[in-house]
Amino acid sequence: DAKTTQPTSMDCAEGRAANLPCNHSTISGNEYVYWYRQIHSQGPQYIIHGLKNNETNEMASLIITEDRKSSTLILPHATLRDTAVYYCIVRLNFGNEKLTFGTGTRLTIIP
Amino acid sequence: DAGVTQSPTHLIKTRGQQVTLRCSPISGHKSVSWYQQVLGQGPQFIFQYYEKEERGRGNFPDRFSARQFPNYSSELNVNALLLGDSALYLCASSPRTGLVGEKLFFGSGTQLSVL
Repeated sequence: DAKTTQPTSMDCAEGRAANLPCNHSTISGNEYVYWYRQIHSQGPQYIIHGLKNNETNEMASLIITEDRKSSTLILPHATLRDTAVYYCIVRLNFGNEKLTFGTGTRLTIIP
Repeated sequence: DAGVTQSPTHLIKTRGQQVTLRCSPISGHKSVSWYQQVLGQGPQFIFQYYEKEERGRGNFPDRFSARQFPNYSSELNVNALLLGDSALYLCASSPRTGLVGEKLFFGSGTQLSVL
């Protein structure tokens, strides 16, 4: 699985959009980008995934650059409950279900 | 519906002992994976089981073993505990339908402390 690079930490004001970047310059053509988050004292929670098109669901939007070497997770209206560690993961969509987590981005929402 | 349940929630052991952690997947989910999360790091993949067979193994020593039962629940065993085994052990389940974008659903974990 390709390696990802994320900022260690970020702050965002409550009610504003939180934009979390991820670099995955060695991604291969059949690897997907997944985002999970981990709120303190809980297990990771799936947020969204995509291959090359932008994706949106009830939690977030995922913007993948045309060359697929980077992506941005957008939380449109951040709340205090969005404070968590966010993990960007690149993986194939077949084979075993191994997720390779990095250290993620610690997002703090400021009241 | 109940999510992924793990037991116990906390456990304290001493070096050299053995430990068994338990996981019940979401009803209808046939795949179970185990992860180890050391403080300050992301979770690390240990095992995946599907239909009672091992389908993936991470870079962990043979002291770590697991199994899956006919009801799809799973146990993780760690023998000869070391101080470095202190971690949060997470279990995740998925329906394993083969569809693109299969999500993993994680439990809240078992916090293991080795003294």
